[in-house]
Amino acid sequence: NAGVMQNPRHLVRRRGQEARLRCSPMKGHSHVYWYRQLPEEGLKFMVYLQKENIIDESGMPKERFSAEFPKEGPSILRIQQVVRGDSAAYFCASSPASGAMYEQYFGPGTRLTVT
Amino acid sequence: GDSVTQMEGPVTLSEEAFLTINCTYTATGYPSLFWYVQYPGEGLQLLLKATKADDKGSNKGFEATYRKETTSFHLEKGSVQVSDSAVYFCALTVTGTASKLTFGTGTRLQVTL
Repeated sequence: NAGVMQNPRHLVRRRGQEARLRCSPMKGHSHVYWYRQLPEEGLKFMVYLQKENIIDESGMPKERFSAEFPKEGPSILRIQQVVRGDSAAYFCASSPASGAMYEQYFGPGTRLTVT
Repeated sequence: GDSVTQMEGPVTLSEEAFLTINCTYTATGYPSLFWYVQYPGEGLQLLLKATKADDKGSNKGFEATYRKETTSFHLEKGSVQVSDSAVYFCALTVTGTASKLTFGTGTRLQVTL
């Protein structure tokens, strides 16, 4: 059973470009979480999605950031008009359901560098 | 809001030394508590968890006890190995918050021969 897949692993964008990060959850998992890890900091929750629905986006910046989890295909985190402060590691996690008894399995992350 | 406070690192120990990494929390509801480990260049892996007061989570020689009276969940290991070198994150989730995790800032552990 493959783990959570994220691609690309490394992404370099110039200021003003768009960044698109992909996350394929583990087989059988329909719940996806996105977290951001700034340098030398812990992970911060961004958004929680189920198939075709955003359940909680309380951690998402109000502008330039969006996320989706379509019926078919991976979850996408999109950052428009990137700025240097967006440079971070973005981690996706998946679980089979919601609740503390269900472990969140993390992907290897996408490291975004904005130049 | 919910928050997790961890001791700052890095923590440097010799192999076979005793490890303690302190973690305290504040939560708006009844939390479940977790320790995650992150090896260089990799994502986080769940190390252990506890879901109610006085529970002890354990895995790979690591232990942590959920102490509600002191709002703590300290990580311990009796004898560390070089392969334990990693960053350790304490985290919590509160029922009714869609299971989103709140993390501490992480503690880097370096174990030397």
